[in-house]
Amino acid sequence: GENVEQHPSTLSVQEGDSAVIKCTYSDSASNYFPWYKQELGKRPQLIIDIRSNVGEKKDQRIAVTLNKTAKHFSLHITETQPEDSAVYFCAASIRDDKIIFGKGTRLHILP
Amino acid sequence: GAGVSQSPSNKVTEKGKDVELRCDPISGHTALYWYRQSLGQGLEFLIYFQGNSAPDKSGLPSDRFSAERTGGSVSTLTIQRTQQEDSAVYLCASSPYGLYTQYFGPGTRLTVL
Repeated sequence: GENVEQHPSTLSVQEGDSAVIKCTYSDSASNYFPWYKQELGKRPQLIIDIRSNVGEKKDQRIAVTLNKTAKHFSLHITETQPEDSAVYFCAASIRDDKIIFGKGTRLHILP
Repeated sequence: GAGVSQSPSNKVTEKGKDVELRCDPISGHTALYWYRQSLGQGLEFLIYFQGNSAPDKSGLPSDRFSAERTGGSVSTLTIQRTQQEDSAVYLCASSPYGLYTQYFGPGTRLTVL
């Protein structure tokens, strides 16, 4: 069935280092891949997204890469800062605008 | 402009009671989504609407859950005969037609005693 797997579930990195979160999806027809950040007690907010006609997209310290052949995509955060601590969700579109989310990655930035 | 709003923000109810949760999407957004988020967990897809129709209801956990959307705007999620396992934050999101950014509401925290 439709599925989005996300790894790792928890990630701790030293402030200033890079963080990478990986997701795989099952539906080869998926063509839209957003990433959301959810801070404690707040609503999820989009931080970056990528469409299937693009292999990589970058926005300041955040980048996303997509490998359609392997059906996986990744979020890269460079020069991590304390405010990057949050839960990050990947997602993939299925048919008819349905979006399926991964289970989330809790990112801890260590001082 | 105004974002997605949800009401109530908090709801405490007794087991067996029915509850209604409301979502007001961003004006003009044709797609509306409902998700459930248990404490410390991910976003569980429940149902989505394109206009007033719901192409996919497969995420509804049981027949105690139902949702409707009228006038292509406000949506109501109804949970009948609530159970303790229904306790969670229920999030609503809306987006323009097509695959675009989903804008989330603040959620309704439901507690079933």
